[in-house]
Amino acid sequence: AQSVTQLGSHVSVSEGALVLLRCNYSSSVPPYLFWYVQYPNQGLQLLLKYTSAATLVKGINGFEAEFKKSETSFHLTKPSAHMSDAAEYFCAVLNNNDMRFGAGTRLTVKP
Amino acid sequence: DTGVSQDPRHKITKRGQNVTFRCDPISEHNRLYWYRQTLGQGPEFLTYFQNEAQLEKSRLLSDRFSAERPKGSFSTLEIQRTEQGDSAMYLCASSLAGAKADTQYFGPGTRLTVL
Repeated sequence: AQSVTQLGSHVSVSEGALVLLRCNYSSSVPPYLFWYVQYPNQGLQLLLKYTSAATLVKGINGFEAEFKKSETSFHLTKPSAHMSDAAEYFCAVLNNNDMRFGAGTRLTVKP
Repeated sequence: DTGVSQDPRHKITKRGQNVTFRCDPISEHNRLYWYRQTLGQGPEFLTYFQNEAQLEKSRLLSDRFSAERPKGSFSTLEIQRTEQGDSAMYLCASSLAGAKADTQYFGPGTRLTVL
């Protein structure tokens, strides 16, 4: 069965600093991978997705993620954090219409 | 193009009562999903429909839970004889089958509190 592990339930960065949110996946077949963001009391908003095309995927709000098959990773990065990036981030793997989410990483941005 | 909508956004009920939630998917989407999300966790799959057919149900979906999508458009999720453990955010998502990666778009969720 496929699964996702997000390393670090909480990440805190200073405004303007690099954001790195880690995601490792397990899948028996080449997966589709997603990052979603969730603001308090809201649903999930799609940031970006990997669909077996380019391994470096650019998303909204300046985020990007790189698919590394050898490391089974799909880490999310942003060069410079903004206060508005503070939210919960979820990595997910999709295989045969079965979507599995990680437990999430809460990003805090300090002024 | 409107997104996925859910109603109500919040529901407070007493243990033992029945509750029903509604989800309206993106209009051209033929797949509709229900998830449950508890505090500090990612969404957990409950069930999904393709058009009006319910194709898969999770073991999380006990016999107190029932979902319908009678005309292949909106869906309802009913919980009978609610328990305090049912308190969670219930998320609905929709997607277009056949689109690459079948991206799911989520609604704002219904937060259920069972007292």
